[in-house]
Amino acid sequence: AQTVTQSQPEMSVQEAETVTLSCTYDTSENNYYLFWYKQPPSRQMILVIRQEAYKQQNATENRFSVNFQKAAKSFSLKISDSQLGDTAMYFCAFMKQGAQKLVFGQGTRLTINP
Amino acid sequence: GAGVSQSPSNKVTEKGKDVELRCDPISGHTALYWYRQSLGQGLEFLIYFQGNSAPDKSGLPSDRFSAERTGGSVSTLTIQRTQQEDSAVYLCASSLASVMLEETQYFGPGTRLLVL
Repeated sequence: AQTVTQSQPEMSVQEAETVTLSCTYDTSENNYYLFWYKQPPSRQMILVIRQEAYKQQNATENRFSVNFQKAAKSFSLKISDSQLGDTAMYFCAFMKQGAQKLVFGQGTRLTINP
Repeated sequence: GAGVSQSPSNKVTEKGKDVELRCDPISGHTALYWYRQSLGQGLEFLIYFQGNSAPDKSGLPSDRFSAERTGGSVSTLTIQRTQQEDSAVYLCASSLASVMLEETQYFGPGTRLLVL
């Protein structure tokens, strides 16, 4: 079974700073997908970024980028120029190819301070 | 267009009662998923629908839990004889997923269930 570990239960940074959230996973699969989701207090899970394991290039979406290290089974999220609206729970998730279900980490509560 | 919607937003019930939670996926999305988010267990997969059939219901915690989907659209998650440990946020998601292609899952706002 796959597991996803987020080792930072809480993080706090000042507005405009850069912050990196950690995620490691355990799998014997070679083909899979990795995701970062954001959950603000409204409860709605919002996709931040997605990475296909077969792609060597790290995914980026505006201020959000990942550092995907397949051999190390590591998938960290970097948020640049953090904004107050980035305050939320962040979940790392794994999906095995063909499985159609997400396996989530325990989440990191990120607070951006003014 | 409209996103995934869920109703009710909040539900309080007494132990032993049955509850029904509803999910309206994004129009045209063939795949629908139910997850449960609780303090003790985090986010757990419950069941996945492709069209009206459920190829994977491995996450349903007991036979008190069931789900159906009709017309390839709306889904209902039913919990019979609710227990206090069923208290959680129930999240629904949908995607364009075909069998061979993993598509991004889009989530609804969830239903917060409290069993007294």
